[in-house]
Amino acid sequence: GAGVSQTPSNKVTEKGKYVELRCDPISGHTALYWYRQSLGQGPEFLIYFQGTGAADDSGLPNDRFFAVRPEGSVSTLKIQRTERGDSAVYLCASSDSYNSPLHFGNGTRLTVT
Amino acid sequence: QKEVEQDPGPLSVPEGAIVSLNCTYSNSAFQYFMWYRQYSRKGPELLMYTYSSGNKEDGRFTAQVDKSSKYISLFIRDSQPSDSATYLCATYTRGGTASKLTFGTGTRLQVTL
Repeated sequence: GAGVSQTPSNKVTEKGKYVELRCDPISGHTALYWYRQSLGQGPEFLIYFQGTGAADDSGLPNDRFFAVRPEGSVSTLKIQRTERGDSAVYLCASSDSYNSPLHFGNGTRLTVT
Repeated sequence: QKEVEQDPGPLSVPEGAIVSLNCTYSNSAFQYFMWYRQYSRKGPELLMYTYSSGNKEDGRFTAQVDKSSKYISLFIRDSQPSDSATYLCATYTRGGTASKLTFGTGTRLQVTL
């Protein structure tokens, strides 16, 4: 596709459940990023992949959050034992190198009830 | 204190006005500066990207960076209702394998007819 694609666009889950959020980056982009945006705030960095490996996961808030990118393209952000405080928009971005501008998807709006 | 400070607004201006949006940052290691535009329920869209101090112009948009005072600005000339959105400044350092963006909170702009 032409841009970064994220699915689902909306996800409602109950507290304690497990969720997976998917990101399809722009074709050929080697760098992939996950950000989280709470209401009225700017996006906050979670994790950065260069190829298949997580080059920087310092933004993951705790061990309930995990992300993979097994073939260096699609990435999945996984959240275990969801909490109401996890409710936010989860944004994925990609770029063609580590210091090139990021191109964002429209995000997955996660609501934990 | 946040590393990037931005007035959240909202800022309301009449159509045709010149808009000035500003951010300050505290980390002198920041080297790259960006402005993103974010429409409601959409991902951030890159508007301007600059490295050095000075001005960069693109159509109705001018980005200005003053590294000595750690101040960045975005000017919009002849503002249009379609410019109504949230404007996010962002910055990052270069180096290592990480280039995670640090965002401001965003300024909500409304251009009225």
